[in-house]
Amino acid sequence: QITLKESGPTLVKPTQTLTLTCTFSGFSLSTSGVGVGWIRQPPGKALEWLALIYWDDDKRYSPSLKSRLTITKDTSKNQVVLTMTNMDPVDTATYYCAHITYYYASGSYYFDYWGQGTLVTVSS
Amino acid sequence: QTVVTQEPSFSVSPGGTVTLTCGLSSGSVSPSYYPSWYQQTPGQAPRTLIYSTNTRSSGVPDRFSGSILGNKAALTITGAQADDESDYYCVLYMGSGISVFGGGTKLTVL
Repeated sequence: QITLKESGPTLVKPTQTLTLTCTFSGFSLSTSGVGVGWIRQPPGKALEWLALIYWDDDKRYSPSLKSRLTITKDTSKNQVVLTMTNMDPVDTATYYCAHITYYYASGSYYFDYWGQGTLVTVSS
Repeated sequence: QTVVTQEPSFSVSPGGTVTLTCGLSSGSVSPSYYPSWYQQTPGQAPRTLIYSTNTRSSGVPDRFSGSILGNKAALTITGAQADDESDYYCVLYMGSGISVFGGGTKLTVL
């Protein structure tokens, strides 16, 4: 049974750096073809893909946010960490992590298991 | 910047059939975009319905189906039920590890 859970601060101040942790079980990020992604959703708005990390430590970022994001993994702890610098009130959102299944033939993937999400508010 | 387009809202009668679409601001959606679909009810995490155009995720009823219709990806719900009332999001794979979500469609069953 695959589960994921996001954790981190619920409130950050503008210009601060946000650090979120995704702790998962039921799979290993050292297994070929597996990844973890981060997606966010501002209140009342659409989902937005942020970043992902694969079993081989390959990392990808949303082009619009690439300069602010860093994704890392700790395979021994079954955790993936996302940091976002220079937080702004527009970054207020529920942040989700999700298990990724990767397709070697195409390089594509999809999100098949999701965490419950964690709401992060950016305010002074 | 590529924008993935979805109808903002749609309504369907209970028992009816509805097709939601997922397009591109420029160009056509083909299977090489590996479209996937997600259902989200208020306050809940998304649920995976369809991936790779038309493959149902585990446990998803067969009244949900995916396809390519014309130049768009499509999600068809046959025999709509009250609990299908949700937001539906498509995702297109743009290559180089980048995915883009559509703006979502709010489906009302009434």
